[in-house]
Amino acid sequence: DIQMTQSPASLSASLGETVTIECRASEDIYNGLAWYQQKPGKSPQLLIYNANSLHTGVPSRFSGSGSGTQYSLKINSLQSEDVASYFCQQYYDYPTFGGGTKLELK
Amino acid sequence: EVQLVESGGGLVQPGRSMKLSCAASGFTFNNYDMAWVCQAPKKGLEWVATISYDGSSTYYRDSVKGRFTISRDNAKSTLYLQMDSLRSEDTATYYCARHMGITYFDYWGQGVMVTVSS
Repeated sequence: DIQMTQSPASLSASLGETVTIECRASEDIYNGLAWYQQKPGKSPQLLIYNANSLHTGVPSRFSGSGSGTQYSLKINSLQSEDVASYFCQQYYDYPTFGGGTKLELK
Repeated sequence: EVQLVESGGGLVQPGRSMKLSCAASGFTFNNYDMAWVCQAPKKGLEWVATISYDGSSTYYRDSVKGRFTISRDNAKSTLYLQMDSLRSEDTATYYCARHMGITYFDYWGQGVMVTVSS
């Protein structure tokens, strides 16, 4: 299995700040990476696929980048509704997810 | 609007069986691969199983192979997960998800809780 390591595990940021979450794969996943947002008590929602493509309806303050084994999710101008957990997922092989990053407001 | 609505969860004893259902609407069900993804309490996400759009191919994570069976009824736009020989470690919320070309999951249901305990 391809292991996905996310960092940080938790993060506290202020409104309007830019936030970056990292995801490292145990081997090259050739941009086969998605990012999800999960708000408390809700199901995950797709944000980004193919490492940098924005899913329909997702605000443009979210962006994805990376290649090889290293990927990142950036949230520009943090809003209160962005408080959530974020997960990466690789699909170069059978799907595996990162452990998640819990984002809170400072 | 894509909608996925799971049902069938609850409390079950170890070693027993349970069947989950997922009713789909808002898209042409038989054009899409579908999957189940689980999340243990306060834990991360784990892919469980995927079935191809026509039901001809199925894929499972190692820990459920031989115990869980994913199936679909395209006439009813419904996805199923038959879970046999349940273990305490299967306790989780199970989500039905549309699995785009067996890559990412673009729409998810609200989830159904399965608790395996005596």
